[in-house]
Amino acid sequence: DQQVKQNSPSLSVQEGRISILNCDYTNSMFDYFLWYKKYPAEGPTFLISISSIKDKNEDGRFTVFLNKSAKHLSLHIVPSQPGDSAVYFCAAGRSQGNLIFGKGTKLSVKP
Amino acid sequence: DAGITQSPRHKVTETGTPVTLRCHQTENHRYMYWYRQDPGHGLRLIHYSYGVKDTDKGEVSDGYSVSRSKTEDFLLTLESATSSQTSVYFCATIGVGQGYYEQYFGPGTRLTVT
Repeated sequence: DQQVKQNSPSLSVQEGRISILNCDYTNSMFDYFLWYKKYPAEGPTFLISISSIKDKNEDGRFTVFLNKSAKHLSLHIVPSQPGDSAVYFCAAGRSQGNLIFGKGTKLSVKP
Repeated sequence: DAGITQSPRHKVTETGTPVTLRCHQTENHRYMYWYRQDPGHGLRLIHYSYGVKDTDKGEVSDGYSVSRSKTEDFLLTLESATSSQTSVYFCATIGVGQGYYEQYFGPGTRLTVT
């Protein structure tokens, strides 16, 4: 049973526009959520996180939104750049627990 | 960058042979993890360690064992490799003082079992 779901395997966006990546979770005990970015032949790198006591966290062009009632989070990238083309993993965790990762969404930003 | 290296970076082996992958970190991080990444499955936790000689199983631990005899090294062993263990393997660490869940990942090892 998937506890963290990324239902869109891929997303294509024009350069300069907004990219919105979505993630759903089923375990209401999760209290911390993260997004990782992965380029081919490299390890994932941490991008941005949010705790369950917040509904928004912003870092430059990247903003994560958390809707606890819907058990949904999203990553907004504005404006999108070709260098943002990568696979994005959503992850969730709870106190004293390990991270659970989604299957990833491949973002392609076209010039 | 948490100074994480993985060796080897690529390996091809035959079914039934033992294989050991090494993760080395230079940051004295307490927690270390082994994941595998497969198409359609994302990242799945194999085993993790919360200190020297302290390890525990993750989601997909069958067919794998681990050892951690010193803080900087975390070894993943496939006792008898099978084709289903063809994957990309990532090591990760968390250090004291970082965000609790913000793991740093190594560059990965691509393992092919023929």
